[in-house]
Amino acid sequence: EAQVTQNPRYLITVTGKKLTVTCSQNMNHEYMSWYRQDPGLGLRQIYYSMNVEVTDKGDVPEGYKVSRKEKRNFPLILESPSPNQTSLYFCASSQDRVNTEAFFGQGTRLTVV
Amino acid sequence: LAKTTQPISMDSYEGQEVNITCSHNNIATNDYITWYQQFPSQGPRFIIQGYKTKVTNEVASLFIPADRKSSTLSLPRVSLSDTAVYYCLVGDYTGGFKTIFGAGTRLFVKA
Repeated sequence: EAQVTQNPRYLITVTGKKLTVTCSQNMNHEYMSWYRQDPGLGLRQIYYSMNVEVTDKGDVPEGYKVSRKEKRNFPLILESPSPNQTSLYFCASSQDRVNTEAFFGQGTRLTVV
Repeated sequence: LAKTTQPISMDSYEGQEVNITCSHNNIATNDYITWYQQFPSQGPRFIIQGYKTKVTNEVASLFIPADRKSSTLSLPRVSLSDTAVYYCLVGDYTGGFKTIFGAGTRLFVKA
């Protein structure tokens, strides 16, 4: 089954404690993205990657890092989480630039206290 | 990336056809129009994509006039399970993969 898998689904952590949210896709997609969704603000893109070792900033990259060492994985790293990063996070992947049907993961609800 | 404008919310009844219009006055020549559906606490799901005229798939139709400054997502005979937020996106993605989701349209289908 084609899918994008995020882990963990739920996470409560404390300010400053580094964390990683993993994202993996089994569709051999080149393109992957991370979004955060907050009430009233919709979905905002954090980072995206167009291929292995190729990443770029989206609209709200501050406080986040990503890496793309393998095609299937695109982890989101919060080096020093803060309460304003409490949000619902989604990872997405798509096949290519033109065929932009993106497949989204089930989401990770992160709370930073 | 072209900015999009959609109605904030719409109400409908089961069995009716629903049309959601998206304005994108600054759409560029290479831009495609894509619609997504999102249920609470789930990731968005692709519905349909088009460039011009009309596109139809098993769940929806997308109407794009000749000037491409707007587009209309048409959902035939909606059911309660179509209650969701619908997003219109415009972008060519040829220079990158930056995407902007607008606020979306919250569709509420009543029995």
